[in-house]
Amino acid sequence: QSALTQPASVSGSPGQSITISCTGTSSDVGGYNYVSWYQQHPGKAPKLMIYEVSNRPSGVPDRFSGSKSGNTASLTISGLQAEDEADYYCSSYTSSSTVVFGGGTKLTVL
Amino acid sequence: QVQLVQSGSELKKPGASVKVSCKASGYTFTSYAMNWVRQAPGQGLEWMGWINTNTGNPTYAQGFTGRFVFSLDTSVSTAYLQISSLKAEDTAVYYCARVYSRSVYGDTFDYWGQGTLVTVSS
Repeated sequence: QSALTQPASVSGSPGQSITISCTGTSSDVGGYNYVSWYQQHPGKAPKLMIYEVSNRPSGVPDRFSGSKSGNTASLTISGLQAEDEADYYCSSYTSSSTVVFGGGTKLTVL
Repeated sequence: QVQLVQSGSELKKPGASVKVSCKASGYTFTSYAMNWVRQAPGQGLEWMGWINTNTGNPTYAQGFTGRFVFSLDTSVSTAYLQISSLKAEDTAVYYCARVYSRSVYGDTFDYWGQGTLVTVSS
């Protein structure tokens, strides 16, 4: 199972919006509405931000939103804040009953 | 509150074995599956597989069969990851991660351990 494809890096200024893409295949992202997004600050464990494409767990700000079209899922962060600077990973359930992660995207807040 | 506390960093020589523990608290251990995730230095997350905390039945991802073993001790609410015949490329941070209660296929993880760095070097 190949890793999902994410851009290596994205950047934005405080207050702006950014979108991170996550491209898979019809056997994972495109085949199921089970895409999750995680935020990871340096030296810390990942934190769940989005599940089932667009749902936010309790406590996650509504500045974070998710969507999906075909084989590509997206995470959008609006009203960018300094503390949003981190690595972001998507993951998906697969037709093999496994989980696959994306390669990760480094978000820089300028 | 839910906590997953992992054992400390390990420095091992090639060919040795290591056992990483993940002690759960704040919830019923056998009600949620436990997953293991690897992160090599400077690299992304890699799903290793999961263990059914009710039955003890493990499922391993491709690339994590043979030398990797998931186990449990439900009496102390602890999951274990054992890696044998260690190689330099096993150097990574290993995380345990609990399945999110709303996850239909067990593919989403809401609580993570702090990670255990395993370094394999001669």
